[in-house]
Amino acid sequence: SQTIHQWPATLVQPVGSPLSLECTVEGTSNPNLYWYRQAAGRGLQLLFYSVGIGQISSEVPQNLSASRPQDRQFILSSKKLLLSDSGFYLCASLRDRGETQYFGPGTRLLVL
Amino acid sequence: RKEVEQDPGPFNVPEGATVAFNCTYSNSASQSFFWYRQDCRKEPKLLMSVYSSGNEDGRFTAQLNRASQYISLLIRDSKLSDSATYLCVVYMDTGRRALTFGSGTRLQVQP
Repeated sequence: SQTIHQWPATLVQPVGSPLSLECTVEGTSNPNLYWYRQAAGRGLQLLFYSVGIGQISSEVPQNLSASRPQDRQFILSSKKLLLSDSGFYLCASLRDRGETQYFGPGTRLLVL
Repeated sequence: RKEVEQDPGPFNVPEGATVAFNCTYSNSASQSFFWYRQDCRKEPKLLMSVYSSGNEDGRFTAQLNRASQYISLLIRDSKLSDSATYLCVVYMDTGRRALTFGSGTRLQVQP
């Protein structure tokens, strides 16, 4: 079965600082990968998805970017964080030949 | 209108109670439906898929009404450990193959 790793678990960053969150997946190959953000008390918002190495699709205009340098690695970045970037960031992988998703443990980001 | 709508709750119920959550979705082309569970400050985890004929997993029963575009989850004999947020989730086979999540319904089971 798949395992998704995310780090760090918690991050506190000042406004205007850069960001790099990493996600790696084990137990599958060529997965669809996703970045979601969940604001406090809110639902999950899809930020980016990737169907393969170097292939990134953005769902909403924002201050963030994503990259997929390797098959099982997905990175979320920002050059300058905003207060509104605070939230719970979740990486997900599509289950093989299925429609359900597995989630990583998430990174809780607080921008001050 | 949101693609997936849920009553945010919270639903406060005593142990042993039966509780039902409903969810509506806006896109009639939606193909697959799920309930996920999310504990406080944790990632969502798949609870169960929802099939047209209805399906049951222990104390949990899920129903789908395609004509009315709503999905339900029934929890019988509630346990303290059932306290969580329940997310209604819809899948449509577009290029991104991503899920659309409702905002969740919070359940608090009281001793």
